[in-house]
Amino acid sequence: GQQVMQIPQYQHVQEGEDFTTYCNSSTTLSNIQWYKQRPGGHPVFLIQLVKSGEVKKQKRLTFQFGEAKKNSSLHITATQTTDVGTYFCSARRQAGTALIFGKGTTLSVSS
Amino acid sequence: NAGVTQTPKFRVLKTGQSMTLLCAQDMNHEYMYWYRQDPGMGLRLIHYSVGEGTTAKGEVPDGYNVSRLKKQNFLLGLESAAPSQTSVYFCASKLDLVTKNIQYFGAGTRLSVL
Repeated sequence: GQQVMQIPQYQHVQEGEDFTTYCNSSTTLSNIQWYKQRPGGHPVFLIQLVKSGEVKKQKRLTFQFGEAKKNSSLHITATQTTDVGTYFCSARRQAGTALIFGKGTTLSVSS
Repeated sequence: NAGVTQTPKFRVLKTGQSMTLLCAQDMNHEYMYWYRQDPGMGLRLIHYSVGEGTTAKGEVPDGYNVSRLKKQNFLLGLESAAPSQTSVYFCASKLDLVTKNIQYFGAGTRLSVL
């Protein structure tokens, strides 16, 4: 079945460094969402991208949706310790109702 | 407005025991989901419901049953628990609008099967 691949699985950075996680699909996606899960917590919605080539920013976070709507990225500028957690992408299949989640990228930040 | 509430928060079962996890949402959402989360596996969909009285299988439905008798509640049942079902279970809900794909998650149920 359709899968959404997320890379890297883990990333450790020094505070102040940038961080990027990528989400890739073999098929065209209707839209894509990003979620953040803090250690011991539950996933919390960050943003949804719908349009081809769309770019959205939330403070230090930049989200992009590829032109072909098959990939997406989340970039964090100048990471802080509060950015620690696992970032998931999820996508809606064109013909279905269930969202598919990537396996997530776990970010750790040392100060 | 509590959002999505899951009970219980923690549970330890012995192999072969049964239990029901309750998910309740007060946002009048049509769609509800049950996921399990295991280390390195991300979120895997167990069952979902697109409205009251409906249920459908997800990616890993074996060993689980669900019911959606009321719109606000989605129950996940384990008839005969197995150690492989040790996991963190999350319930989520969302509106039925195509442009509103935001899922709201509960705090999770941490289940251990011995």
